[in-house]
Amino acid sequence: ETGVTQTPRHLVMGMTNKKSLKCEQHLGHNAMYWYKQSAKKPLELMFVYNFKEQTENNSVPSRFSPECPNSSHLFLHLHTLQPEDSALYLCASSQEIQGFQETQYFGPGTRLLVL
Amino acid sequence: DAKTTQPPSMDCAEGRAANLPCNHSTISGNEYVYWYRQIHSQGPQYIIHGLKNNETNEMASLIITEDRKSSTLILPHATLRDTAVYYCIVRAYYGQNFVFGPGTRLSVLP
Repeated sequence: ETGVTQTPRHLVMGMTNKKSLKCEQHLGHNAMYWYKQSAKKPLELMFVYNFKEQTENNSVPSRFSPECPNSSHLFLHLHTLQPEDSALYLCASSQEIQGFQETQYFGPGTRLLVL
Repeated sequence: DAKTTQPPSMDCAEGRAANLPCNHSTISGNEYVYWYRQIHSQGPQYIIHGLKNNETNEMASLIITEDRKSSTLILPHATLRDTAVYYCIVRAYYGQNFVFGPGTRLSVLP
């Protein structure tokens, strides 16, 4: 247990569906992240939120829409995905103090399959 | 791009020490060496990090060379549950994200 939970753990969706991934951290951190890990590829950073504000978007397609309503919760809204979006989606959190970013702690991930 | 180089795979006998090397010849003075591991289909797990001194915790030891151009993660008594991909990451505390490379796939054999 890392203090970061993700739901659902597994998700199968069609290309026309809309779904959301949820992440919650119980560590009191103020920064949260979404990563994507495709099969046999390294983790890719997608989005960064500091103090609920998005500070980084690594050229992610608009069919992925993040939302951070507070510093403990992070969502990834999915719509009209493609089969190549099938991957493990990982959430992480860390404490950031005046640009000083500490260790990131990861959730267990959501395994997504797009049909 | 990842700033580290690791062997793609290694084997280790159960109960023996696992020594995982990492080269980071272009490391800057303010950059730390981090180690994470990822057991199959799970999220990465933080192991240890250090700047220039050797570090030890309940999971592992981190040995950093004096010139800081390479390091070794040591799992003192490897078990089957230590089978995972191990990532060595170099990063400064300020303004840098974690960049994961392909890592080393460690297989602990019975």
